[in-house]
Amino acid sequence: AQSVTQLGSHVSVSEGALVLLRCNYSSSVPPYLFWYVQYPNQGLQLLLKYTSAATLVKGINGFEAEFKKSETSFHLTKPSAHMSDAAEYFCAVSSLRNDMRFGAGTRLTVKP
Amino acid sequence: KAGVTQTPRYLIKTRGQQVTLSCSPISGHRSVSWYQQTPGQGLQFLFEYFSETQRNKGNFPGRFSGRQFSNSRSEMNVSTLELGDSALYLCASSFEGAREKLFFGSGTQLSVL
Repeated sequence: AQSVTQLGSHVSVSEGALVLLRCNYSSSVPPYLFWYVQYPNQGLQLLLKYTSAATLVKGINGFEAEFKKSETSFHLTKPSAHMSDAAEYFCAVSSLRNDMRFGAGTRLTVKP
Repeated sequence: KAGVTQTPRYLIKTRGQQVTLSCSPISGHRSVSWYQQTPGQGLQFLFEYFSETQRNKGNFPGRFSGRQFSNSRSEMNVSTLELGDSALYLCASSFEGAREKLFFGSGTQLSVL
């Protein structure tokens, strides 16, 4: 069975600082990996998606993630945090069976 | 293009009752998935429907059921409600399934008293 583990349920950064949200996956088949963001009282929105075309994936709002097979990781980064980035972020894994599984989520706080 | 629509937005029920939640996917999308979101358990996969057939199922008891109609609209039913069923229920749609981008609705917040 496939799964993802997000390290750190809460991450706090200052505005302008680097954002690093960690995600490790477990999958017996080549995975499809995703990062979603959830703002308060809303559903989830896709930030970016890895499908083996390139190991460095660029998403919306300046976020990017790097797929590292040797480390089974798919960490999300953004060079400079903005106040509007405050939200909950979910890493997710899927396979050809279309059975997506989400991590527990990481709440990002951005301090002025 | 209209997004994924979930109704109702809020629902309050008592233990032992049953509830039906509705999800209208984006036009043209054939896959509809349901998730339960709680502070303690995060997002948990309930089931996925594709062209009126349940294609995948998560690890939830039989009290949780769903169906999909020919127009791809989906309903989820929970019978004999328990306090622990209080959660945000999210619906997501896509053309083919979870290998691609999922479009989420805003959810139905269910409170069981």
